[in-house]
Amino acid sequence: LAKTTQPISMDSYEGQEVNITCSHNNIATNDYITWYQQFPSQGPRFIIQGYKTKVTNEVASLFIPADRKSSTLSLPRVSLSDTAVYYCLSISSGSARQLTFGSGTQLTVLP
Amino acid sequence: ETGVTQTPRHLVMGMTNKKSLKCEQHLGHNAMYWYKQSAKKPLELMFVYNFKEQTENNSVPSRFSPECPNSSHLFLHLHTLQPEDSALYLCASSQEEGGTGELFFGEGSRLTVL
Repeated sequence: LAKTTQPISMDSYEGQEVNITCSHNNIATNDYITWYQQFPSQGPRFIIQGYKTKVTNEVASLFIPADRKSSTLSLPRVSLSDTAVYYCLSISSGSARQLTFGSGTQLTVLP
Repeated sequence: ETGVTQTPRHLVMGMTNKKSLKCEQHLGHNAMYWYKQSAKKPLELMFVYNFKEQTENNSVPSRFSPECPNSSHLFLHLHTLQPEDSALYLCASSQEEGGTGELFFGEGSRLTVL
């Protein structure tokens, strides 16, 4: 099973760009990198997913280098409402067992 | 609104009670999941259903009994729980089991066992 490693916590200030890096050294060829956001007492919410290079949507960007052993979630100009736990998952199709969330990264945005 | 609805949102029960949590998805998905999230801990995958068939039981105690009558509904029947079972129980669905990882979660059912 692919295992991901993320920082436990990060602090930032409003308006700054935040980059959260996830390590997945044992990623398999068929695995996709997926990031989720979770607010207290709510279910996680899908943010972005990618296989390699760069993916961008209206919320975030995801950078995956050629070796795919790590990925970086980039949140542009964060606000207080971006304070949440962010999870990185490495998943392949049909493998529900890999839908395991680690401890995630607690991002705290300060005014 | 994620298209996955869980009821009740909050539940308090004694250790000898029998209760059920309900999950309904309006997304036309074929896979549904139960997760448990205890305070300050990661989500734990409990059960997975694909096309109404259970495909994963992550060593969950028998006091938790899932039921999936169709691809849109998932239940978690609770019986003789322990205080340590108090947690947020989250239901999720996806187009297919595992898929490429995009799960849609409900808001969760906050369970307190006295």
